[in-house]
Formats: sequence, structure tokens, C-alpha cells
Amino acid sequence: QVRLQESGPGLVKPSETLSLTCTVSNFSIYNYFWTWIRQPPGKGLEWIGHIYSSGVPNYNPSLKSRLSMSVDTSKNQFSLDLRSVTAADTALYYCARVNITVSGVSMMDVWGQGTAVTVSS
Amino acid sequence: DIQMTQSPSSLSASVGDRVTITCRASQNIRDYLNWYQQEPGKAPKVLIFAASSLQSGVPARFSGSGSGTDFTLTISSLQPEDFATYFCQQTFMTPRTFGGGTKVEI
Repeated sequence: QVRLQESGPGLVKPSETLSLTCTVSNFSIYNYFWTWIRQPPGKGLEWIGHIYSSGVPNYNPSLKSRLSMSVDTSKNQFSLDLRSVTAADTALYYCARVNITVSGVSMMDVWGQGTAVTVSS
Repeated sequence: DIQMTQSPSSLSASVGDRVTITCRASQNIRDYLNWYQQEPGKAPKVLIFAASSLQSGVPARFSGSGSGTDFTLTISSLQPEDFATYFCQQTFMTPRTFGGGTKVEI
């Protein structure tokens, strides 16, 4: 059974960098897209971006200037760095696998449990 | 960005009811529309992909329809475990965007 597990600090100070890692178990990271989604408390879902196993990313333009994603195939992990965080970045952060059907439609079919990040001094 | 508008934002229903949730895209997204269910304290789970295809393991009481800009998620007979929040998502182009969610309550 494919499992995704987010890890990283639960508390980050304003203006610092939020760094999260998603570890993929029981499935090879190769040849798939992997994505990050966040959900502020009590609110809806925001797509942060996705990255292919080769390391090519696609970022949400609203975050692009502060965002970096990477893949470590040797550890079967992918990561997110969000710089210069503010209270508006406080959210539950999810990682997920992007599955693309034969017809070319994509969906996020396996999710991590999510990790809560609070930005506060 | 493509804006996704869901309605209603919440609804009250009873076990056995037929429930319909709608999602409208701000431009033509063909059938690049997914529906997710999020139970309290849990990660979202995909129910429907490509507007009308049922994800493996999802009960047949869930169905999706629509194409272009207007889409519908229907639960034919609401079960206790269906009380949750439902989100639509377009994957026609990046950035991927979600609807605001519909909370289905008793």
C-alpha cells in the first residue's frame, strides 16, 4: 500500500523558511508527478505546486517567488521550501501523488495525513 | 487562474436523501474536473475523476456529470459516512484550483 508521510517543523518564525519533506513508501517515486497542497485552518484547499520525478517543478504563481521544490530519488522523497513566511502561510500542508489516466486526466489519488505548520514568533 | 465556484457552501440533509452539489468553472475545462471528499481531521480522498469516472473503491452511490463549465456531484442515497466536505478541482491548466467546498451536514 502506497504511503506518503510529511515531516518538518510545526512552528516557523515570520520571515524564515518553511521546509517540509514527503517520504514515499511502498512505491517508486520515478515517473510520477508529486504535489503539495495546503489548507489554512477552517478554509479550503490551495495547490502549491507539483514536481516531476526528474526534478522539473511547476509552481503556483502566487507563491512562485518564495517557493522551491526538489526531489531526492535516492531517498524516495520530495521536498518544499517556502521562504519569507508570514502568518498567512499557517496551514495544514499535504503531499500527494498525481496519477494521470490513459486519457490524460490527472488526479491526486494518494495523500499524506498532513502536517500542521504555524507561523508565529 | 481558473476560478471554481461551488454551490451550495453547505447543506443539511438526512440519511437516504439524494444530494446534488454543483461546480462551475470560469472557463471551459472540458472534463478535467475531479471531486474530493474530506472527512473531519482527514486528508481529502478522490471520488470522481475526469468529471464522471468513479475512482476505484468508491461506492456507486456517488456519481459525477458535466463538461465544459458546469459540473455536478450526486450522492444518490446519503449514508452516515457521507457527512463531510466536498471539493471540486480543475486540472485543465496550472495553477490547479479548487472550489470553496460544500459541507454536508445532518
